[in-house]
Amino acid sequence: SQKIEQNSEALNIQEGKTATLTCNYTNYSPAYLQWYRQDPGRGPVFLLLIRENEKEKRKERLKVTFDTTLKQSLFHITASQPADSATYLCALTPTSGTYKYIFGTGTRLKVLA
Amino acid sequence: SAVISQKPSRDICQRGTSLTIQCQVDSQVTMMFWYRQQPGQSLTLIATANQGSEATYESGFVIDKFPISRPNLTFSTLTVSNMSPEDSSIYLCSVEVQGLEKLFFGSGTQLSVL
Repeated sequence: SQKIEQNSEALNIQEGKTATLTCNYTNYSPAYLQWYRQDPGRGPVFLLLIRENEKEKRKERLKVTFDTTLKQSLFHITASQPADSATYLCALTPTSGTYKYIFGTGTRLKVLA
Repeated sequence: SAVISQKPSRDICQRGTSLTIQCQVDSQVTMMFWYRQQPGQSLTLIATANQGSEATYESGFVIDKFPISRPNLTFSTLTVSNMSPEDSSIYLCSVEVQGLEKLFFGSGTQLSVL
């Protein structure tokens, strides 16, 4: 079956450290993969997009990697801050089939001061 | 980009009633979607709202339960009909602006059915 999996357990890290979140998928061939941030009571907000032919993308303190062999994307936040505390969702768009965005369950990140 | 106004932000409803959620976008968009997010779960696509024609529903969602209107390129409504406690969830409107491969979301509607 087709699945997108993120670590359902909350990730607690100390301020200043690098947070690394994982997104694994099975039985999809993604055209691209995206990461969103969701705060409580709010809709998700787009952060980064990486295409199937890209290995890495950066934006300020954020970095995304994409390994289509491992079927995995990693999302890194360097020099993390308490304000980075939120739930982070990955979403992929398949290369074939119905045009849609398919979301993972999200990982809750808490950065401790 | 796109700014989305979604209302109501939350509601508490009685079993068997219906609730209509409104989604207003500040620009014309082609693709408009309705998602459901149950506690601890992923966002699940309910349907794609098509302007001037019937919405396209995903597996497990039907028009009688979730009728959708899209009278123009900036507005859509989702109705949750004949509600039961299982419908308690967050409902999210989202749009994709042409040429931008990303979704913009409203703030969501937190629905509780008693």
